[in-house]
Amino acid sequence: GAVVSQHPSRVICKSGTSVKIECRSLDFQATTMFWYRQFPKQSLMLMATSNEGSKATYEQGVEKDKFLINHASLTLSTLTVTSAHPEDSSFYICSASSGFGNTIYFGEGSWLTVV
Amino acid sequence: RKEVEQDPGPFNVPEGATVAFNCTYSNSASQSFFWYRQDCRKEPKLLMSVYSSGNEDGRFTAQLNRASQYISLLIRDSKLSDSATYLCVLYRGGGNKLTFGTGTQLKVEL
Repeated sequence: GAVVSQHPSRVICKSGTSVKIECRSLDFQATTMFWYRQFPKQSLMLMATSNEGSKATYEQGVEKDKFLINHASLTLSTLTVTSAHPEDSSFYICSASSGFGNTIYFGEGSWLTVV
Repeated sequence: RKEVEQDPGPFNVPEGATVAFNCTYSNSASQSFFWYRQDCRKEPKLLMSVYSSGNEDGRFTAQLNRASQYISLLIRDSKLSDSATYLCVLYRGGGNKLTFGTGTQLKVEL
């Protein structure tokens, strides 16, 4: 069964609205979770590192005010795409690990379509 | 130059064939290496880790060459179910950050 659960798996939203994606670790506590984005036929690109109890660390070129990350507990991180536009349509995936050097598990991913 | 480079393929092979993928990386500080498998519109799943000594898991063999900075994946006796995109992944420490290649697409045909 899934070790990292992501929800929703698919979402369609109107341009200008905000969408929240949840990532939960089911069997372990994750002090750090990662958010990736994957456009068609491209590699997964790390967007940000979500740290429990503190601010997320964003990769270069990723707007922190547009992609809000909250890691309020050891089992839940959320990514909110604010004021979504069609170019934000993509596959968003989270990953988590129970500790440094341990196996990294991926969520099932969330397909976002902005119309 | 990209940090991780892979031939995107697709590699179209008949069932039962042996196929090999290579992946080159530019950062010599990379610590660990993995092959992940990603099915269409799904999340990546760990296939195997890659060690300098080479490692084998059933029909799959992975090899790391640090001197030439490449890793390889060999699949023997290909099955239809092996059809997927194979991602070369690097881990550089400092918090479990992974760097993904663009993937190599494999299509196994009857």
